[in-house]
Amino acid sequence: ETGVTQTPRHLVMGMTNKKSLKCEQHLGHNAMYWYKQSAKKPLELMFVYNFKEQTENNSVPSRFSPECPNSSHLFLHLHTLQPEDSALYLCASSQVQGRAEEKLFFGSGTQLSVL
Amino acid sequence: AQRVTQPEKLLSVFKGAPVELKCNYSYSGSPELFWYVQYSRQRLQLLLRHISRESIKGFTADLNKGETSFHLKKPFAQEEDSAMYYCANVGHSGGGADGLTFGKGTHLIIQP
Repeated sequence: ETGVTQTPRHLVMGMTNKKSLKCEQHLGHNAMYWYKQSAKKPLELMFVYNFKEQTENNSVPSRFSPECPNSSHLFLHLHTLQPEDSALYLCASSQVQGRAEEKLFFGSGTQLSVL
Repeated sequence: AQRVTQPEKLLSVFKGAPVELKCNYSYSGSPELFWYVQYSRQRLQLLLRHISRESIKGFTADLNKGETSFHLKKPFAQEEDSAMYYCANVGHSGGGADGLTFGKGTHLIIQP
């Protein structure tokens, strides 16, 4: 598949579980992003990686741990989450981070439910 | 902190009527603004960006620095325009550019 692919599409986990979200992009981009979309809040930027280096951590709790082994793959490792962490987690990529002409390409998201 | 405000959660207009989706931003520097759209069962995707001064699917958006606004407009709405629309600004912290800051979104419904 071309574009930005996220797996799994849906995830249900208990508060003591450890799980990982995966994002893969086949666009040759150098910047990748994690966003959180909750029901009553705007899309919230969580992490930004530019050329595999983390350039932004938007005050995200340590129970969320990102990993970017290469420019094509991005993971979000989850552990001891809370029910309020239930949300749609969106991955995005762009050629380079945060310039006016840059276009973000989004994945379909992982719908996470924490019980 | 930088903010993007979309005051309307829901906007319903009839087909053929003009549409205006409001967006206001708070940023003291030069903003870098975008409109993203999410159609039903599709991914969030870029609609247009202010730097390009483009018209996409009949939509335009003009940056008004005096009013700190970037409203999205279309003169004649079509049913296929029904979607969630998000206004976004490039974040700036520590002198560098970051990811996008999004508004809460406006759900546009075009009635036949």
